[in-house]
Amino acid sequence: AQKITQTQPGMFVQEKEAVTLDCTYDTSDPSYGLFWYKQPSSGEMIFLIYQGSYDQQNATEGRYSLNFQKARKSANLVISASQLGDSAMYFCAMRGGADGLTFGKGTHLIIQP
Amino acid sequence: SAVISQKPSRDICQRGTSLTIQCQVDSQVTMMFWYRQQPGQSLTLIATANQGSEATYESGFVIDKFPISRPNLTFSTLTVSNLSPEDSSIYLCSAEPRDRNTGELFFGEGSRLTVL
Repeated sequence: AQKITQTQPGMFVQEKEAVTLDCTYDTSDPSYGLFWYKQPSSGEMIFLIYQGSYDQQNATEGRYSLNFQKARKSANLVISASQLGDSAMYFCAMRGGADGLTFGKGTHLIIQP
Repeated sequence: SAVISQKPSRDICQRGTSLTIQCQVDSQVTMMFWYRQQPGQSLTLIATANQGSEATYESGFVIDKFPISRPNLTFSTLTVSNLSPEDSSIYLCSAEPRDRNTGELFFGEGSRLTVL
């Protein structure tokens, strides 16, 4: 069984600051993928970044980076230079093999001007 | 990247009726998945829609309540049967592109169901 834990139900961050959203996971699969999604109030799920368990380097996509620490089973999302439009729910998820995604409970991020 | 369209985007239904949600992908995909997001909650996987075989359901979800079709590599439907107010949720379709190297799993915009 897979489990994703997001311990920050909500976060307030000042605009232009960097923000780290925490995610820890548990799985018995030797190969897995870790994902982060953004869900604005409109409800759509926006893919942000992906990290494979065997990837040697941390994934980066523009202002998003994934701080992958395999030994600690953590996959924190870092958003640099936050913007007002970053305010949304953020979900960490994982996948083993060809299975569907297992999601964490999410973090509600609010960027303040 | 794949574009996924869901219909309807929202609906209000009476208890005891059924609603069928359609998911159309603009390219052929290997795997399609259906999720439920109850109000204020995270997403929960309902089932994997397999082309050419029956869907694979997660624990707590049964075919009689959530029948799924997958007639080809670009289309799937989810029916929520015998509706009750507890079925009020957002239902989301997700697809895995045939090129799996990117790791991306795309989502439709969701279908918001309210049961009265």
